[in-house]
Amino acid sequence: DVKVTQSSRYLVKRTGEKVFLECVQDMDHENMFWYRQDPGLGLRLIYFSYDVKMKEKGDIPEGYSVSREKKERFSLILESASTNQTSMYLCASSLIGRISGNTIYFGEGSWLTVV
Amino acid sequence: QKEVEQDPGPLSVPEGAIVSLNCTYSNSAFQYFMWYRQYSRKGPELLMYTYSSGNKEDGRFTAQVDKSSKYISLFIRDSQPSDSATYLCAMSRGGSNYKLTFGKGTLLTVNP
Repeated sequence: DVKVTQSSRYLVKRTGEKVFLECVQDMDHENMFWYRQDPGLGLRLIYFSYDVKMKEKGDIPEGYSVSREKKERFSLILESASTNQTSMYLCASSLIGRISGNTIYFGEGSWLTVV
Repeated sequence: QKEVEQDPGPLSVPEGAIVSLNCTYSNSAFQYFMWYRQYSRKGPELLMYTYSSGNKEDGRFTAQVDKSSKYISLFIRDSQPSDSATYLCAMSRGGSNYKLTFGKGTLLTVNP
């Protein structure tokens, strides 16, 4: 089974703090993603990485950055947390492939509250 | 028009009912169609995926894709209280295109 592990399930941070959300996948997937999920807005893609040290902006990258130094690990960084970044953050990974159709697998989610 | 439309519900059914969940889409380039189940305060888990049009069955779950109508469905037979969750449809063009487009999810409650 694919396993995507997010290191922190629940975090409370103060406005202005730098926040790191860590994600590890164990299936040698090329692609990794960070989404946020908010009621009424669904899943929104923040950043995407298709290879080590490679990244692309998603739909809502403002206020976020990412790091992928190793294939299995993808980190989301909030440089200066703000209250509007209170959300559930989901890491995901996928294979590139015709059969899989880029089906992605999610972690359990990280609930971030910024106060 | 949004790329993927999904009725948010909520949908409430008695145990044992047949449940039908649906999504419509506008982009005819989509080829891969997925259904995810998400329990409260958990990440989405992949239920089924299908390629192009047709049906796919897995136990109590059947996924249908009608590309001519740009309409996909997930049927749950003999629904159980453990099926209570939010169901998300997702689709992609596949190949080197990484992006999945998600519906906003339908909240289903199966009452014992």
